[in-house]
Amino acid sequence: QVQLVESGGGLVKPGGSLRLSCAASGFTFSDYYMSWIRQAPGKGLEWVSHIRSSSGYTNYADSVKGRFTISRDNAKNSLFLQMNSLRAEDTAVYYCARDWEQLGLIDYWGQGTLVTVSS
Amino acid sequence: DIVMTQSPDSLAVSLGERATINCKSSQSVLYSSNNKNYLAWYQQKPGQPPKLLIYWASTRESGVPDRFSGSGSGTDFTLTISSLQAEDVAVYYCQQYYSTPQVTFGPGTKVDIK
Repeated sequence: QVQLVESGGGLVKPGGSLRLSCAASGFTFSDYYMSWIRQAPGKGLEWVSHIRSSSGYTNYADSVKGRFTISRDNAKNSLFLQMNSLRAEDTAVYYCARDWEQLGLIDYWGQGTLVTVSS
Repeated sequence: DIVMTQSPDSLAVSLGERATINCKSSQSVLYSSNNKNYLAWYQQKPGQPPKLLIYWASTRESGVPDRFSGSGSGTDFTLTISSLQAEDVAVYYCQQYYSTPQVTFGPGTKVDIK
């Protein structure tokens, strides 16, 4: 069965960096576009970033552009999010998500990893 | 960006009664070349990630009970739970994927038991 397992979250000070990872299994990872979507505590869902299957094309929300970098390692079935210059407003649960049929429609979500930015 | 709004913010419905959630997009999400609405609904229970319920505005995901139905076109959409069950208590989000990959979600509607 499809599994997406995030790791790398934690407490970081404003201005700091963190790298999130997502281990994928149960499907041919290299065939799928992938996204990161976040949810601030008690709030709604916000799309963060997207990467196509061959890593040649990436896209970012304006709120993270220039600070976050998405990448993937298809040989290791892994998705990453490098987060730099973190701000308090980046505090959220970050979900790794699989894009169905390259539509932007999310058919599988990980359980999420919590990132807290606080001094 | 396509802005999604939902109403109401929350609702409480008696067990077995109908629950109706509305979603509106700031521009049409109907793609004219295939006549499909790029609109999905997700259910999120406390402490869990969202779960896909409906896509193409009205197509139920495999395994989703038929008491869940979606309708609408263009900019106005509705999620209906025909007979609310205790396990349906959750927050429901609509999402447009018309402007993929920059998808956007509605703010959510919380459904509780009255």
